[in-house]
Amino acid sequence: AQKVTQAQTEISVVEKEDVTLDCVYETRDTTYYLFWYKQPPSGELVFLIRRNSFDEQNEISGRYSWNFQKSTSSFNFTITASQVVDSAVYFCALSASSGGSNYKLTFGKGTLLTVNP
Amino acid sequence: EPEVTQTPSHQVTQMGQEVILRCVPISNHLYFYWYRQILGQKVEFLVSFYNNEISEKSEIFDDQFSVERPDGSNFTLKIRSTKLEDSAMYFCASSTQKTGGQKKLFFGSGTQLSVL
Repeated sequence: AQKVTQAQTEISVVEKEDVTLDCVYETRDTTYYLFWYKQPPSGELVFLIRRNSFDEQNEISGRYSWNFQKSTSSFNFTITASQVVDSAVYFCALSASSGGSNYKLTFGKGTLLTVNP
Repeated sequence: EPEVTQTPSHQVTQMGQEVILRCVPISNHLYFYWYRQILGQKVEFLVSFYNNEISEKSEIFDDQFSVERPDGSNFTLKIRSTKLEDSAMYFCASSTQKTGGQKKLFFGSGTQLSVL
């Protein structure tokens, strides 16, 4: 079975601070995919990034960066110079193919990020 | 960018009534999904659908639930006899990946179902 743990329930920062959202996952599969989604107050789920288990290269996209470490089963997400518009719930998710279940995402419980002006 | 469309955005119903939640996936997508999110909780997988049949379903997806792709463009979720605990945000999603869900899922903006 797959499991995703986001230990931080809520984080509050002041604008321009850097913030890191933690994600730890569990799977027995060697091939899997990790995702981050953002859910702003309007409710929709917005895709941010997908990584596969064979690609541990960290990625930077503008103010966003991701640190994937297989050794610790972590896929952390950092926002640099946070802005008020970054306020949202952020979900980490895992897709793995054990038992043929390669169709679904298993989500973490989410981290509510509040960026104050 | 193409998007998944869900209607209605809000649905209020009485306990025991049937509801149908509607979704129009992105036109060239092959895999379709329903997820739900109870207020304040994580997003949970309900069902996946490919080639006009259910590929996988979760424990939540019991006999009260059914899905259908009636006309090649719409993808619906029906709850036969709603319960209070069915109140949640329901998300439809679709993807292109032929071999499963590893590709990016495009989510709709959700239907908030309130069962009174």
